Amino acid sequence: KNQVEQSPQSLIILEGKNCTLQCNYTVSPFSNLRWYKQDTGRGPVSLTIMTFSENTKSNGRYTATLDADTKQSSLHITASQLSDSASYICVVLYGNNRLAFGKGNQVVVIP
Amino acid sequence: GAVVSQHPSWVICKSGTSVKIECRSLDFQATTMFWYRQFPKQSLMLMATSNEGSKATYEQGVEKDKFLINHASLTLSTLTVTSAHPEDSSFYICSARDWRPGGGNQPQHFGDGTRLSIL
Repeated sequence: KNQVEQSPQSLIILEGKNCTLQCNYTVSPFSNLRWYKQDTGRGPVSLTIMTFSENTKSNGRYTATLDADTKQSSLHITASQLSDSASYICVVLYGNNRLAFGKGNQVVVIP
Repeated sequence: GAVVSQHPSWVICKSGTSVKIECRSLDFQATTMFWYRQFPKQSLMLMATSNEGSKATYEQGVEKDKFLINHASLTLSTLTVTSAHPEDSSFYICSARDWRPGGGNQPQHFGDGTRLSIL
C-alpha cells in the first residue's frame, strides 16, 4: 500500500469550475506536506507547503488544507483555467528528511 | 527564485549506449541533489541521493554500476545510465534543496526532467 494515497486518480472539469483533490498519508513522524503541479513532460513545481501547525494555505487560485490529526490534505482549485490541466502531486516530508510521493491527481480542464 | 536546470530534456539512442544527464542548481549551492525516476501515471521514485564530494547513496534495488552518479561541484550532479537498454526508458528527474536562510521548510526544486528513450 502506497504511503501517500491521492484521489481521484483523474478528473475532467469544465473551465471556470472548482475542484478538490484529496491526499491521505500514513508516514510519520510528519514534518511537512507539499503540493506540486507537474505539467506533462516537465518537472514538478511547488504550489504550497504546510507544517503541522498550519491548517490552510493559499497560492492564488490554489488553496491547500491540512488535518495532521487525521493525516489528510486537500487541494482546492478555484475557477479552473485550461492551464490548470496537469498532475497534482502530494508529497510528505517525514522522518529523517525522507519524502513520500503520491501518484498524483490528473486534472484535465476542458473549455 | 531557486532554479534547477536539467539537460538534455530528451534523449533517443540505441541500446547499449551510455547516456549522461546533467543537473545544475543555477542560483544556489546544493550539497545534496536527488535523482528520481518516473513511469507514466506513477509516483516519482527516488533512485539515489547525490552528495557533493562523496559517494552517492542508492536506494534499495537500484544498481549503482548501472546508474553512475557524480557530484563534482556544489552546483552540478550528473547521472550516467551505462549500457542503456529499452527497459531503462523512463523520465528521469533531479532535484535539489535550497538550504539558504529561510530554509528548513523550503521545498525541493525539481528540474524539468529528461525523457530517455532507448531503441
